Amino acid sequence: GESVGLHLPTLSVQEGDNSIINCAYSNSASDYFIWYKQESGKGPQFIIDIRSNMDKRQGQRVTVLLNKTVKHLSLQIAATQPGDSAVYFCAENASFQKLVFGTGTRLLVSP
Amino acid sequence: DTEVTQTPKHLVMGMTNKKSLKCEQHMGHRAMYWYKQKAKKPPELMFVYSYEKLSINESVPSRFSPECPNSSLLNLHLHALQPEDSALYLCASSQDGGSGTEAFFGQGTRLTVV
Repeated sequence: GESVGLHLPTLSVQEGDNSIINCAYSNSASDYFIWYKQESGKGPQFIIDIRSNMDKRQGQRVTVLLNKTVKHLSLQIAATQPGDSAVYFCAENASFQKLVFGTGTRLLVSP
Repeated sequence: DTEVTQTPKHLVMGMTNKKSLKCEQHMGHRAMYWYKQKAKKPPELMFVYSYEKLSINESVPSRFSPECPNSSLLNLHLHALQPEDSALYLCASSQDGGSGTEAFFGQGTRLTVV
């Protein structure tokens, strides 16, 4: 389930389940969005991106959905694996050269 | 080569010390970035260099001084830091920083100010 509060929002799933991580962005003028995965002690790693002229983009085991009407982005991970455990950030290109990160969601995958 | 290399990986410095963080990329990217990340928080943009010129300074205190000696290198000079400046400092680069260009991140420098 999901929990919010003083700590990072956390999504706990079982191995093999599908995961959905949500993100609300702030700037209606943002035209490019990226999902990053950050493992403990490492820098953010690119997962998938989407431009504002699209509403869906698929990669390997991952899908990003964009709803510009409500300024909402989601990341779907199919058949979640323990190696997917990490913190996931959405980022928006708020203006030229300015990539702004969302608050992040911790994904915990149990074997 | 899709790597952004940051050195050192860890740094402990006193409040009167002067130190520098270094970042290097060989992807031919012309935009380079410094981000600061506190525990359990998202990365926060500090500076952007575009074609070796400072294009964005997010009102960062002057005790942090960026430098871009050439298109492959980015430094962050640190002087008279405070304990609250302890954080993970991330360097990133992108093709030109324009919309639609992904940023590649280094592994970060974990800075502790004592």
